[in-house]
Amino acid sequence: EPEVTQTPSHQVTQMGQEVILRCVPISNHLYFYWYRQILGQKVEFLVSFYNNEISEKSEIFDDQFSVERPDGSNFTLKIRSTKLEDSAMYFCAGSGGMVVYQETQYFGPGTRLLVL
Amino acid sequence: GNSVTQMEGPVTLSEEAFLTINCTYTATGYPSLFWYVQYPGEGLQLLLKATKADDKGSNKGFEATYRKETTSFHLEKGSVQVSDSAVYFCALSGGSGYSTLTFGKGTMLLVSP
Repeated sequence: EPEVTQTPSHQVTQMGQEVILRCVPISNHLYFYWYRQILGQKVEFLVSFYNNEISEKSEIFDDQFSVERPDGSNFTLKIRSTKLEDSAMYFCAGSGGMVVYQETQYFGPGTRLLVL
Repeated sequence: GNSVTQMEGPVTLSEEAFLTINCTYTATGYPSLFWYVQYPGEGLQLLLKATKADDKGSNKGFEATYRKETTSFHLEKGSVQVSDSAVYFCALSGGSGYSTLTFGKGTMLLVSP
């Protein structure tokens, strides 16, 4: 069964450094998402991506964040200058189909980011 | 906006006990409702879903019914196993939030032999 993969599984970085989190969604999916889960808190939506552009974003997704799908397979989340409060588990997800709000989103295993 | 409220955990049960995890939601329009499960050290997996009122989602012995009149989607299982120990998240999409998933805080379930 196809799976969403994410790399790296863990990343430790210094405050102010740039990080890029990578995801390979399931190949026939059309919609792509990033979510994050700060330890002990709920899973929060960051951004959704369709047809090579952002379709929705949350208040969390400020100018320090960016996403792209550079080669039609990878889907990346970049944090330009990390802050301590960016420490979290970051999940990539994807879904297919046209009735998008009814579709199941398939999640990757996550990247645990620790900012020191 | 959309919101999901689910019961606080942890929920501690003995094997073969009956499980209920309550979930209520607030949303405009006609959202779709989901239960996701997160096993230790793993990502989120869809457990079941329902896309319209009175639909019942079911999988692996778990069930939940979309109740629009009470805005609820409670998760139930008749006989839990040790392997069901995980964190369970209720979520919705649609309504004012369109395709994004809005999650509850999660409920940890611990099942002892």
